[in-house]
Amino acid sequence: LAKTTQPISMDSYEGQEVNITCSHNNIATNDYITWYQQFPSQGPRFIIQGYKTKVTNEVASLFIPADRKSSTLSLPRVSLSDTAVYYCLVGGGSGGYQKVTFGTGTKLQVIP
Amino acid sequence: NAGVTQTPKFQVLKTGQSMTLQCAQDMNHNSMYWYRQDPGMGLRLIYYSASEGTTDKGEVPNGYNVSRLNKREFSLRLESAAPSQTSVYFCASQREKARMNTEAFFGQGTRLTVV
Repeated sequence: LAKTTQPISMDSYEGQEVNITCSHNNIATNDYITWYQQFPSQGPRFIIQGYKTKVTNEVASLFIPADRKSSTLSLPRVSLSDTAVYYCLVGGGSGGYQKVTFGTGTKLQVIP
Repeated sequence: NAGVTQTPKFQVLKTGQSMTLQCAQDMNHNSMYWYRQDPGMGLRLIYYSASEGTTDKGEVPNGYNVSRLNKREFSLRLESAAPSQTSVYFCASQREKARMNTEAFFGQGTRLTVV
């Protein structure tokens, strides 16, 4: 599985857009990029997944440049309830089984 | 729709005691995982099971054993608990990889303290 690098922590004020970038220089051709969110005392929760360009859902957007060596999770207009740890995962491949392996994540603190 | 259920939620063990953490999922997923998360750290994979009857080691398997009892259940056993195994344990399940969906679903965790 490709190694990922994320900032350890970020602070943001309520109402701002937050962008968390993940570096994955060794991403393989068939790898997907997946982001999870974890609140204190809870298990991680899937946010978004993408392969290339841009993916958007009701929670976030994921931007992936053409070389796919990095990705950016964008959270629009964050609120205090978005305070959590965000994990970037890279892996997958063509069909078959993929185990989910986590790094240390980015701790986002939203400030009133 | 319960998703992934872990029992117990909290446990205190004495050094050397044994116990089994239970995990069950009701989503008909083939893949199941056990992770541990130490304070302020990310999740580390202990064991995983790609399908009923198969298990494989993850990053930190020492001191643990697992059983994939059937498709629904995946248990984690500590044969002789040590203080270094004090952690929060998460079980997860994942649908067999399809092209666009590798979402994993997690339980609420078991907080284990070994004294």
